[in-house]
Amino acid sequence: AQKITQTQPGMFVQEKEAVTLDCTYDTSDPSYGLFWYKQPSSGEMIFLIYQGSYDQQNATEGRYSLNFQKARKSANLVISASQLGDSAMYFCAMREFFSNFGNEKLTFGTGTRLTIIP
Amino acid sequence: GAVVSQHPSWVICKSGTSVKIECRSLDFQATTMFWYRQFPKQSLMLMATSNEGSKATYEQGVEKDKFLINHASLTLSTLTVTSAHPEDSSFYICSGLQGSNTGELFFGEGSRLTVL
Repeated sequence: AQKITQTQPGMFVQEKEAVTLDCTYDTSDPSYGLFWYKQPSSGEMIFLIYQGSYDQQNATEGRYSLNFQKARKSANLVISASQLGDSAMYFCAMREFFSNFGNEKLTFGTGTRLTIIP
Repeated sequence: GAVVSQHPSWVICKSGTSVKIECRSLDFQATTMFWYRQFPKQSLMLMATSNEGSKATYEQGVEKDKFLINHASLTLSTLTVTSAHPEDSSFYICSGLQGSNTGELFFGEGSRLTVL
């Protein structure tokens, strides 16, 4: 089974509109972290937002917010007032922490290509 | 989906030793592989881009003599951290590009390096 599922391979959104990028995850560990990354054409992964599994409130970072629904195991990214510069690939990722030797694993979804239309 | 396997997933080594991390694309040919380094709760930092059969292209500030990257085949790229020091302790992740520049990017699960 997929650990991280992003069901939207591509999205087109009008400039200034809000957009929601879907992400669902699967883990049996109580302690985990969820990330969203943006990858422009340059290749570098740009960290956007982080949500810990024990965080009580949804994470927000400027125009980015994470709609964390723990029971549904979803962590959708919401971008408000989209801009042309938001056009990029967006990856959802989950970090699982294992007790043995401090091992951890980072699993990425396949990404969503967001295109902002002027 | 396509799978990229990274090994080892974690490694502890003594200062001064070298460590090799392998990145394999299991069911596709990756003409381009990217190596990233990630600090806690921060973005992945692109270290270098490697193309099969040619020298890797390193990002500014990344020491090519310290982080040796080899992309000998379409399914295997390796990162060797030479003469590792505690400041090299980090999470390293690779990704393979399937197809052209607009192809899908698949990530390995990462390798946690701890240098004592």
